[in-house]
Amino acid sequence: GQQVMQIPQYQHVQEGEDFTTYCNSSTTLSNIQWYKQRPGGHPVFLIQLVKSGEVKKQKRLTFQFGEAKKNSSLHITATQTTDVGTYFCAGPSSNAGGTSYGKLTFGQGTILTVHP
Amino acid sequence: NAGVTQTPKFQVLKTGQSMTLQCAQDMNHNSMYWYRQDPGMGLRLIYYSASEGTTDKGEVPNGYNVSRLNKREFSLRLESAAPSQTSVYFCASAGFQPQHFGDGTRLSIL
Repeated sequence: GQQVMQIPQYQHVQEGEDFTTYCNSSTTLSNIQWYKQRPGGHPVFLIQLVKSGEVKKQKRLTFQFGEAKKNSSLHITATQTTDVGTYFCAGPSSNAGGTSYGKLTFGQGTILTVHP
Repeated sequence: NAGVTQTPKFQVLKTGQSMTLQCAQDMNHNSMYWYRQDPGMGLRLIYYSASEGTTDKGEVPNGYNVSRLNKREFSLRLESAAPSQTSVYFCASAGFQPQHFGDGTRLSIL
């Protein structure tokens, strides 16, 4: 079945340093979504990328979707303590008939710790 | 705006006990999902419901059952709880995209 792999599993940074997490899918994706989960909280949607090579920015966060639509990355510039949490990528997962019904396959997540 | 509401928030069970986790959404979404989250394993889909009256297995359905009671409510039942089912359970709903998650149920099986 489809697999979505994320690296690294953990990342510790000093406040002000940059951070990047990478996501790779075993299959081509129609879109990729990114979610953030604060410690003790629930996943919250950040963004969806649809087009090959797409780059989107949200303030200090930059999201990229690979040309082959099988990989993606999230880069945070100058991390702050508010960036602490787990970042997940997720891609649509389909039944044998090819319909996803909105199902997602999540990566394992990258746990970001920011030291002040 | 309540969004997705899960009850209970915490529960401790003994091995062999049964319980039902409740989930309700007020966003008029067709699709609902149940996930479990374990350290280092991300979110794994247990069951989903594409629309009212339909349910289907996800990646890890063994030991669980679900009921889509109506468009708003989607419950998850553990018939005979096992220690391996100790986890954090999240319910989510979606129209098309993205998914909206509840606050989770932290379940411990002793």
